Amino acid sequence: AQSVTQLDSQVPVFEEAPVELRCNYSSSVSVYLFWYVQYPNQGLQLLLKYLSGSTLVKGINGFEAEFNKSQTSFHLRKPSVHISDTAEYFCAVSERGGSEKLVFGKGTKLTVNP
Amino acid sequence: GAVVSQHPSWVICKSGTSVKIECRSLDFQATTMFWYRQFPKQSLMLMATSNEGSKATYEQGVEKDKFLINHASLTLSTLTVTSAHPEDSSFYICSARGPRGAGDTQYFGPGTRLTVL
Repeated sequence: AQSVTQLDSQVPVFEEAPVELRCNYSSSVSVYLFWYVQYPNQGLQLLLKYLSGSTLVKGINGFEAEFNKSQTSFHLRKPSVHISDTAEYFCAVSERGGSEKLVFGKGTKLTVNP
Repeated sequence: GAVVSQHPSWVICKSGTSVKIECRSLDFQATTMFWYRQFPKQSLMLMATSNEGSKATYEQGVEKDKFLINHASLTLSTLTVTSAHPEDSSFYICSARGPRGAGDTQYFGPGTRLTVL
């Protein structure tokens, strides 16, 4: 079974500052990794994913994440945030070649202040 | 591409009635769809996996007879909350496994807010 830990439930930052949202996972098998964003009262939108290959993954809206197998981490970063980035961010994993089920972290609320 | 819709976006019903929520993959075929439930300020909890043409697989603790799932076509899955009660009020989100080559990526619908009075 897999589990996901998002270490920060809330992250407040100022506009144009860099941000890192942390995600660690636990799994006995190889995994796929995902970051999703959820705006209020909406579904989830895929930001980026790591399936294989380069460990640095670039996504939409200027976000990127780096897969670190030794540290079992998949932290999300953006060099300069905007007010519009205010949302809930979820890290998720699924078992490679397995049941396709996504296991989500509890989410990190990113608030960008002017 | 890979757009998933849900209908309705919100619904209010009386206790004891049944509510049907539709999940559609608009521009791709989805043999597998998933239904999640999300409580306020919490993460998504997988309720069941819906496979086209076969019975859904429910997660532990989810009542099969209460949450009826039908995946009758490659683009449509429905969730029916039977005899709804106030504790069933929640945000229900579906997702569909993406097209071939998407590598197990799930694409999510916009969600349905259910309020049971």
